[in-house]
Amino acid sequence: DIQMTQSPSTLSASVGDRVTITCRASQSISSWLAWYQQKPGKAPKLLIYKASSLESGVPSRFSGSGSGTEFTLTISSLQPDDFATYYCQQYNSYSLTFGGGTKVEIK
Amino acid sequence: EVQLVESGGGLVKPGGSLRLSCAASGFTFSSYSMNWVRQAPGKGLEWVSSISSSSSYIYYADSVKGRFTISRDNAKNSLYLQMNSLRAEDTAVYYCARDSPNSSGWPRAFDYWGQGTLVTVSS
Repeated sequence: DIQMTQSPSTLSASVGDRVTITCRASQSISSWLAWYQQKPGKAPKLLIYKASSLESGVPSRFSGSGSGTEFTLTISSLQPDDFATYYCQQYNSYSLTFGGGTKVEIK
Repeated sequence: EVQLVESGGGLVKPGGSLRLSCAASGFTFSSYSMNWVRQAPGKGLEWVSSISSSSSYIYYADSVKGRFTISRDNAKNSLYLQMNSLRAEDTAVYYCARDSPNSSGWPRAFDYWGQGTLVTVSS
């Protein structure tokens, strides 16, 4: 199985900060990577697919980049609604795998 | 509006069985591959199983292979997960999720998720 490693596991930031989360795959997954946002007690929400494509309705302050084994999710200016946990997911091949998550907390 | 509504969760003893359902509406269910993803309390997301639109292709995580069975009824717009030989480590919220149409090939990212149903395996 392809292992997905996210860093950091927790991130403390302030409103207006630029935030970057990294996801590394144990082998190349081309651009078959998605990013999700999850708030407590809620289902995950798709933010980015194919590494850098913004899902419809998602604010443009979210962006994704990378290919192969290294990927990043960037929030250009953190908003109060963005405090949540973020997960990457590879869908290059089965078994599909998620990263361990990055919790973005208020500093 | 796309809606996915899971049901069937509850408390079950180790070794027991449970059948989860996911009722879909607001889209042409028969055209989409569907998935189950679970989340243990306080933990991350774990993919469980996927099924193609016509049920021709089915995949399982190693952790549930041989114990869980995914199926669908396109006439009823419903997805199912039959869970047998349940273990304590199967305790989780189970989500059904739809494959995103914004991609080619398979597998794909998941663009709509249900609210989840909690399965607790405990004696």
